[in-house]
Amino acid sequence: NAGVTQTPKFQVLKTGQSMTLQCAQDMNHEYMSWYRQDPGMGLRLIHYSVGAGITDQGEVPNGYNVSRSTTEDFPLRLLSAAPSQTSVYFCASSYSRVQGLIEQYFGPGTRLTVT
Amino acid sequence: AQTVTQSQPEMSVQEAETVTLSCTYDTSENNYYLFWYKQPPSRQMILVIRQEAYKQQNATENRFSVNFQKAAKSFSLKISDSQLGDTAMYFCASSGMGRRALTFGSGTRLQVQP
Repeated sequence: NAGVTQTPKFQVLKTGQSMTLQCAQDMNHEYMSWYRQDPGMGLRLIHYSVGAGITDQGEVPNGYNVSRSTTEDFPLRLLSAAPSQTSVYFCASSYSRVQGLIEQYFGPGTRLTVT
Repeated sequence: AQTVTQSQPEMSVQEAETVTLSCTYDTSENNYYLFWYKQPPSRQMILVIRQEAYKQQNATENRFSVNFQKAAKSFSLKISDSQLGDTAMYFCASSGMGRRALTFGSGTRLQVQP
């Protein structure tokens, strides 16, 4: 199994440009999430999905869109990049039990710089 | 809202010694999971250890163990016989019933000195 894959690993954008960060998992997990990691702030949830066709906002959703047409894929779209979106982005997938998510499996991350 | 607090931004330990990283959390749930993740310079997030809140026994994984104090909402990570490869950022995280993602603390940067 490849686990969780993300592309690209690095990206530089100019302010106002748009792009899509790709995420795929081959573990048949129902839950998928996007986080951003900023220095001193840990990982913060952008958007998540509990299955194909179902998405919802996390803690910091502004400026980002997601969709989930298949179980495997969960792309993150930056609509009009801003310097405040300079960050490292992680995609994660998981399954859950009654007590909550057992574990999240993370992709390798994308370092995005907006100039 | 769930919160996770790590009050030690940076720590340092000598190789072969023991170090404890602190974490406190806030939840109103009875059943939940707690995690410690390691993030080495490669940036990859690696699960170190998981604790189920309804289990009294503290989780252990080789040199890594936790001190889980449910009433105090405390979840510290002990690393024994520290190795240079333990140098990394360590994140404490929680999940719970009905929650669709993990809540992370701000992290502790651990440096193991030779």
